[in-house]
Amino acid sequence: DTEVTQTPKHLVMGMTNKKSLKCEQHMGHRAMYWYKQKAKKPPELMFVYSYEKLSINESVPSRFSPECPNSSLLNLHLHALQPEDSALYLCASSQGTGGKNIQYFGAGTRLSVL
Amino acid sequence: KNQVEQSPQSLIILEGKNCTLQCNYTVSPFSNLRWYKQDTGRGPVSLTIMTFSENTKSNGRYTATLDADTKQSSLHITASQLSDSASYICVVSNDYKLSFGAGTTVTVRA
Repeated sequence: DTEVTQTPKHLVMGMTNKKSLKCEQHMGHRAMYWYKQKAKKPPELMFVYSYEKLSINESVPSRFSPECPNSSLLNLHLHALQPEDSALYLCASSQGTGGKNIQYFGAGTRLSVL
Repeated sequence: KNQVEQSPQSLIILEGKNCTLQCNYTVSPFSNLRWYKQDTGRGPVSLTIMTFSENTKSNGRYTATLDADTKQSSLHITASQLSDSASYICVVSNDYKLSFGAGTTVTVRA
């Protein structure tokens, strides 16, 4: 099973809402990632978790708050987002965090902020 | 600065024809290079991964080449099918971080 599952597939929220994106993998991977992808652009790394601890935060605004409850789950809590935050949010996982590790991506959550 | 440049930005081909996508990079030190296929609205799926010592790798109708001396890679699609319509992303790793290219959008027409 090389599947990374993301929910929901689509999300529409207002700028005052609080919502969460969820990501799950059962491959025993110890590294998990959040990426943001705008249309026709490559994914941009947001956060990296290694062994359930946040190891990289790519200067992401505090309105995005990641959480790793256990080794299989990764959440991204959203609050007071801006319309420019509308994008495809991708979760990925890999065995480790080194560049030699293949990242497996989920199908993404399409987020629209009104 | 680590950079990955892909060309062309987009291309249209007829079903059954072949095409080649290019990737040039300046990532250093080099660890590996991957090609991902991304269908619209979906996450990227790994096609091939090559390390420094590998200069060609195939996955079905997809064949990737790597010239580590010139820092160039190509992805060749043979006998294209409608399902090959997607964005193809070149990703280069330097052991710590992935650098993504902007992708080439391939449209296969019947």
